[in-house]
Amino acid sequence: RKEVEQDPGPFNVPEGATVAFNCTYSNSASQSFFWYRQDCRKEPKLLMSVYSSGNEDGRFTAQLNRASQYISLLIRDSKLSDSATYLCVVTFSGGYNKLIFGAGTRLAVHP
Amino acid sequence: DTAVSQTPKYLVTQMGNDKSIKCEQNLGHDTMYWYKQDSKKFLKIMFSYNNKELIINETVPNRFSPKSPDKAHLNLHINSLELGDSAVYFCASSQEFGVFSTANYGYTFGSGTRLTVV
Repeated sequence: RKEVEQDPGPFNVPEGATVAFNCTYSNSASQSFFWYRQDCRKEPKLLMSVYSSGNEDGRFTAQLNRASQYISLLIRDSKLSDSATYLCVVTFSGGYNKLIFGAGTRLAVHP
Repeated sequence: DTAVSQTPKYLVTQMGNDKSIKCEQNLGHDTMYWYKQDSKKFLKIMFSYNNKELIINETVPNRFSPKSPDKAHLNLHINSLELGDSAVYFCASSQEFGVFSTANYGYTFGSGTRLTVV
């Protein structure tokens, strides 16, 4: 079983739509969780951290369910510029700072 | 000013050659990493250095040898290149080290080196 699993997509949505991505992780001792965004042929960039209480940043909302080992990202009012691959990331809890990446979910927003 | 810079951006080389990729960060971070992103877009950690000391060494063939002359630089040397080494190699850096909880931090990635072995 992969350490971090995501639906690869693609999710094709019209502008203005709401879209949600899910991610599951296998290591119950994982401690920190993130969503990264990667544009085509570019480096990954931190989108937001995911906190147990859930957190919001503008149109983006992240949720964490530790019991189910599940993370989600909700994007409201999608823009063309949101088209990218969204990477679910968890930390390795073995004492060192190591991020484990999911393979990513591709989002394509069309006019 | 580029925070994490890698050179070269593109590298095309023949099987069996030896090549190096360089990485430098000007963020004052203590920890640097090499990640490999294969054709399936899966990003996997290879190595991590903290203050010039190797702290993470994943299951990587020993043809790959990282070197950190100082905490701002982490280079990757690859011997006897194989077709399967073709990938994008990302360097990254972070300030935090060790177990952490919910700090809102992140890695800063370089723009990647696209290696093609022919």
